[in-house]
Amino acid sequence: ETAVFQTPNYHVTQVGNEVSFNCKQTLGHDTMYWYKQDSKKLLKIMFSYNNKQLIVNETVPRRFSPQSSDKAHLNLRIKSVEPEDSAVYLCASSWGHNYAEQFFGPGTRLTVL
Amino acid sequence: GDQVEQSPSALSLHEGTDSALRCNFTTTMRSVQWFRQNSRGSLISLFYLASGTKENGRLKSAFDSKERRYSTLHIRDAQLEDSGTYFCAAYTGGADRLTFGKGTQLIIQP
Repeated sequence: ETAVFQTPNYHVTQVGNEVSFNCKQTLGHDTMYWYKQDSKKLLKIMFSYNNKQLIVNETVPRRFSPQSSDKAHLNLRIKSVEPEDSAVYLCASSWGHNYAEQFFGPGTRLTVL
Repeated sequence: GDQVEQSPSALSLHEGTDSALRCNFTTTMRSVQWFRQNSRGSLISLFYLASGTKENGRLKSAFDSKERRYSTLHIRDAQLEDSGTYFCAAYTGGADRLTFGKGTQLIIQP
């Protein structure tokens, strides 16, 4: 099956902890993205990587760091979570990074207590 | 203001009816992508258009090829499984970052 896969589906943690989310795509794409969807369902891009190179880095707190081992994997680490980090984190991929059609994973729902 | 505006914000329909969702842009766009987000949160790509129209079953989308400032998504003969939140998105801030509208919540009733 070719798709975008994310783990875990859900994660509940305490303020100040570190969390890490994984994303893998088997579509043969060269660009991957992380988006944040808040409680009002607003979707905003956080990062994008093309062939392991950072392309987009929106205004995101420094505690967020993407990690790309190869073009099929893009993980997201949050060093010390805050309550406002509670959201759904969606990973996506595309072929090329200019005006490209994007395909999304199922998301990871983070709850910070 | 918002660069990608969706209307309506919410819509309730009975099975078998037709509907149209709209996405307006504050400036000309090169392409538009439509998604449906289901109750589990999965964001499913429905259409990607650089111009013209595309059709897939009961869904049809059009992108204004002249001024490139709006797109529509038509749902024909609505079914219960069409329920969800529909998003349109476009590359507004550059070729490499997709901006999403706020979504249209669609509820299909028996």
